[in-house]
Amino acid sequence: QSALTQPASVSGSPGQSITISCTGTSSDVGGYNYVSWYQQHPGKAPKLIIYDVSNRPSGVSNRFSGSKSGNTASLTISGLQAEDEADYYCSSYTSRSTEVFGGGTKLTVL
Amino acid sequence: EVQLVQSGAEVKKPGESLKISCKGSGYRFISYWIGWVRQMPGKGLEWMGIIYPGDSDTRYSPSFQGQVTISADKSISTAYLQWSNLKASDTAMYYCAVRVREFSYGGLDYWGQGAPVTVSS
Repeated sequence: QSALTQPASVSGSPGQSITISCTGTSSDVGGYNYVSWYQQHPGKAPKLIIYDVSNRPSGVSNRFSGSKSGNTASLTISGLQAEDEADYYCSSYTSRSTEVFGGGTKLTVL
Repeated sequence: EVQLVQSGAEVKKPGESLKISCKGSGYRFISYWIGWVRQMPGKGLEWMGIIYPGDSDTRYSPSFQGQVTISADKSISTAYLQWSNLKASDTAMYYCAVRVREFSYGGLDYWGQGAPVTVSS
């Protein structure tokens, strides 16, 4: 199974909104509503910020939102803050009963 | 409070074997899936596999099937990731993580601190 496709990098200014895409196939993203998103700061463990396409775990800011259309899922961060600068990864359940990550996107807050 | 505590850093030689651990606490260990994730230096996350400690049902990513073994000991609430023949390319940070949501097949809610493994001659 191939990794999901994410842009290598995105950037935005404080207060702006950005969207990160995550493209898979009908055997993963398109076939199940089990897309997750993670935030990882340098030297830290990943943190789950979205699960099941659009659900936020308790304690995660409502500035983070997720959606899906067809084989592409998206993470939107609104009201960008300096602390949002990190790497972001999507993952999806697959038809093999496993999961697969995207390649990761580096978010730079200008 | 859900916690996953992983074993410490390891330095091994090619061809050696290794077993790293992940001890869960603060939740019913046997009832939730625990996964393992690799992150090679400067690279992205790779999903390796997952185990349900209650019945040891285990799923492996095709990329890692046959390369590693995932297991769990219910009696001590600990999951394991092991290699029988390490390679230099196994050098990475290894994370364990648990999904504590029922009725979902995706996402890992709580993560261990990571275990760095270095394989070098």
